[in-house]
Order: sequence, then C-alpha cells, then structure tokens
Amino acid sequence: LAKTTQPISMDSYEGQEVNITCSHNNIATNDYITWYQQFPSQGPRFIIQGYKTKVTNEVASLFIPADRKSSTLSLPRVSLSDTAVYYCLVGVLVYQLIWGAGTKLIIKP
Amino acid sequence: KAGVTQTPRYLIKTRGQQVTLSCSPISGHRSVSWYQQTPGQGLQFLFEYFSETQRNKGNFPGRFSGRQFSNSRSEMNVSTLELGDSALYLCASRLAGTNTDTQYFGPGTRLTVL
Repeated sequence: LAKTTQPISMDSYEGQEVNITCSHNNIATNDYITWYQQFPSQGPRFIIQGYKTKVTNEVASLFIPADRKSSTLSLPRVSLSDTAVYYCLVGVLVYQLIWGAGTKLIIKP
Repeated sequence: KAGVTQTPRYLIKTRGQQVTLSCSPISGHRSVSWYQQTPGQGLQFLFEYFSETQRNKGNFPGRFSGRQFSNSRSEMNVSTLELGDSALYLCASRLAGTNTDTQYFGPGTRLTVL
C-alpha cells in the first residue's frame, strides 16, 4: 500500500497559483495518483487523476515526474472558495487507498 | 444528473441503539462504497457493494453491516452503538466499479452517539 506525505497546511492569496506536492516513494507500477478536495462537513470531491507526465482539466493540473515518486497538484488563480482540505491518494483499489490527513489550504484575500 | 444523496443528514442516537443510513448513488452507478470519517482516524473504508454483493470490506467490527438493493441504493447499519461511532459517514458511488472509476461522494450523514 502506497503511503503519501503532503504538507499539513498551506497559505496563499487570491489570484495566486498554488502548488501542493505529494510524496509517494513506494508507488507501484499499476498505481494511479488521485486528488480530492473536501470542504467541512461535506464529502470529498474528485479533482484530477493521473498516471504519468501531466494531466490538465478545467480546474487543475497534475504534474508527475518520470520516477513517479512524487506529484504536484497545481491550482491556477485560486479564490477564497478554494479554501479546503486536499487529499493525495495513490493506488488502484478503493479499499486499499490510504486517506491521510490531507493538506489544509487557506486562501486569504 | 443528480448527485449522490444520503439520508438522513444528521442523526443523534444513544449508546446501545442501532442506526440505519441510506445512500442513493448517481443514476446508472452500480458500485457503492461506505466510509467513516473522524477527526482522529481520518477517512476509513468500511465496505463496497457492487450489483448487490459485498465486494470488499474494511477493518471494522461486525456491528457495521450493509446491503445493496437491485436499484443500487445502499443502506448501512450499525448495531449496539458506541460513543466512538460518532462520525461523518460518507458513501461514494462509481459507474462500473472498475479500478480507475472516479468515486463521487455524497454529503454524508453526521452521526452523534450520546
């Protein structure tokens, strides 16, 4: 089971680009990297998923280096509503995914 | 398309009672997973149902059980409630339950055990 390490908390300001890095040294060949966002007292919301290189969607980008031992979630031009906890998950089988403490991102005006 | 719905949203019970939580997945989704989220333990997998069969189970005591109906709706039951069962219970649905399917979570049921 791939354990992940990500910062406990981060601060940024509205309009800035935010990059959250996740370390996953023992990622397996078949593992995918998935990021979720969670607001207080709500269920997590899928942001993005990738296997290698770069993936981009309408809300974020995910950068994965060739060795896949880390990944970076990039949120462009954040707003106050992006204040949330962000989880990095590594794996394939849902029952094996380890949901750590996540990164508490606080966006300031 | 409507999202995952969970009922009730809030519940207060006393120790020793039992509780049943309900989850309606996104239309067409056949896989439903249940999770418990607490401040101390984070989000932990309870079990997954697919086509009315329990496919995977997490490391929880037998007091936690579930089932899935033919319309993919799922219920979770907790018997003999303990104070430590106070948590946010989340369900998530997936389309076909394949490994890379995206999980869509509901808003959760906040259970408080007194």
